[in-house]
Amino acid sequence: DVKVTQSSRYLVKRTGEKVFLECVQDMDHENMFWYRQDPGLGLRLIYFSYDVKMKEKGDIPEGYSVSREKKERFSLILESASTNQTSMYLCASQQGAQPQHFGDGTRLSIL
Amino acid sequence: AQRVTQPEKLLSVFKGAPVELKCNYSYSGSPELFWYVQYSRQRLQLLLRHISRESIKGFTADLNKGETSFHLKKPFAQEEDSAMYYCALRGNTGNQFYFGTGTSLTVIP
Repeated sequence: DVKVTQSSRYLVKRTGEKVFLECVQDMDHENMFWYRQDPGLGLRLIYFSYDVKMKEKGDIPEGYSVSREKKERFSLILESASTNQTSMYLCASQQGAQPQHFGDGTRLSIL
Repeated sequence: AQRVTQPEKLLSVFKGAPVELKCNYSYSGSPELFWYVQYSRQRLQLLLRHISRESIKGFTADLNKGETSFHLKKPFAQEEDSAMYYCALRGNTGNQFYFGTGTSLTVIP
């Protein structure tokens, strides 16, 4: 069974801080994704990665960056956190013709 | 452009009543459609996909290319069906997925 693990369920940070959200998958999937989930807006893709060191911007990449140094780990970085980045962040992994598998999510609050 | 529309943000039905969650899509090609479900305090998980043509937890969904729809249906709703449901479309590249805004289903006892 695929396991996607997000390092924190809840995180509280301050405006201007640099924030790291970590995601690890254990199925050797090539593709990994970061979404934010907001009421009424659904899931919006921030970035995805199709291989180590490869990344593509999603629909809302502004204010975010990502890192994929190893196949199993995909990190989302908020360079300078702002209050409008308060949200639920979901990580997913996927391979070939299979559907995506999601982590539990990180609820991030920026004060 | 690929786009998924779920017109209902909230849907309430009584237990035992039929339920239909609507999903329409806009896509230039042969789409692959999915329904994902998120129960309270649980992770988002796949409910079903159109290529499987199977029934999961009593739910079915048929891809209607003429109407560009992939509505989710269940003949008799149960309280445990209360959850957030997302329709999703897989894009041309094979590794891009587009989600609707979700429908929150409440089944009233």
